[in-house]
Amino acid sequence: NAGVTQTPKFRVLKTGQSMTLLCAQDMNHEYMYWYRQDPGMGLRLIHYSVGEGTTAKGEVPDGYNVSRLKKQNFLLGLESAAPSQTSVYFCASNPRGFQGNGELFFGEGSRLTVL
Amino acid sequence: DAKTTQPPSMDCAEGRAANLPCNHSTISGNEYVYWYRQIHSQGPQYIIHGLKNNETNEMASLIITEDRKSSTLILPHATLRDTAVYYCIVRGIRNSGNTPLVFGKGTRLSVIA
Repeated sequence: NAGVTQTPKFRVLKTGQSMTLLCAQDMNHEYMYWYRQDPGMGLRLIHYSVGEGTTAKGEVPDGYNVSRLKKQNFLLGLESAAPSQTSVYFCASNPRGFQGNGELFFGEGSRLTVL
Repeated sequence: DAKTTQPPSMDCAEGRAANLPCNHSTISGNEYVYWYRQIHSQGPQYIIHGLKNNETNEMASLIITEDRKSSTLILPHATLRDTAVYYCIVRGIRNSGNTPLVFGKGTRLSVIA
């Protein structure tokens, strides 16, 4: 049981390049989330999904797109990377409702640097 | 979701109890109080949550005031490994759907030997 797995864990991009972060969970959770964390700051919600085929915007969605084609995967895309998107990205998941106390399970993070 | 207010930082001597306060004066009836912590650059870790009763588990205790406008997370015997940023979050949980966790800046707890 791997929990929440993020790939890649590290990536360096040049301004304008595109990339996709993959989040995979093997706990059959309905809900999945993408957060970003800048140095000295708390986590900010980018996008989230409440089920396969659905996505919603969080606090800071601009510059990102997401897709949830399969229940176990949640992809975060950067179409044209900017230095302001240099950050650590965390994926999380949880089951619906009161299952599992509503606890969020987090991945280990993906460190992205945009030059 | 209701907003929370936490002190930016606190110190605690090793072996003593760490009491971390949180104000959530606009909490609504169906919102729970959740506590997470983040050690260094790892993903946040769930600690405890509660609605209106005090809660205790193997990691910590959560004391919620009767009017639910504030709460305190208690680490009974802090160790150096408890040095982390602690986040207090209020969140709606219901079978029809959960609201996302929205993190603030949290409290940076430093446990000192």
